Amino acid sequence: EVQLVESGGGLIQPGGSLRLSCVASGFTVSSNNMNWVRQAPGKGLEWVSVIYRRGSTDYADSVKGRFIISRDTSKNTMYLQMKSLRAEDTAVYYCARDSEFGCFDPWGQGTLVTVSS
Amino acid sequence: DIVLTQSPATLSLSPGERATLSCRASQSVTSYLAWYQQKPGQAPRLLIYDASNRATGIPARFSGSGSGTDFTLTISSLEPEDFAVYYCQHRGNWPPYTFGQGTKLEIK
Repeated sequence: EVQLVESGGGLIQPGGSLRLSCVASGFTVSSNNMNWVRQAPGKGLEWVSVIYRRGSTDYADSVKGRFIISRDTSKNTMYLQMKSLRAEDTAVYYCARDSEFGCFDPWGQGTLVTVSS
Repeated sequence: DIVLTQSPATLSLSPGERATLSCRASQSVTSYLAWYQQKPGQAPRLLIYDASNRATGIPARFSGSGSGTDFTLTISSLEPEDFAVYYCQHRGNWPPYTFGQGTKLEIK
């Protein structure tokens, strides 16, 4: 079964750092483009970052310079290292695979990041 | 960047009725548009890709249409489990990979 499971969320003070993980099963992370998408409480979906099959990366302007996406092929896991966190980064963070049809499928269940003092 | 505008923001209907949700792009996205369903506390689920193709396991009452800048998601006869928030998305050749702001389908 193709599945994604996120972890690493929690309560963090403004200015702090956190690393999210996304473990894949049923497929190989490094053979797919992989994304992070976030959803602030009561709000819509916001694309955050992508790591392409070839290893290059892209970021939304809102996180550029503060977040780093990476992967570990030996663990079949993708990461999102977040630093200089702000209150506006508070959200549920989902990982999602680029499907062969140019959309996101599947999605993980999400992990909540709360930035607050 | 391409902007996706969904309408209406909220749609109030009864089970058994037909639902029509709209997504308009600020420039042509040809047929590269997807629809997702999200229920409270759950991750989004892919419904439709390439504007009109149902994803695996999606019931036939869901259909998508459109091309260019105007797209429609239709639910032919609403079931109780269909009341949720629906998002459209354009996953173009380069980021940002835009989502619409969502349409909440609520029970009347």
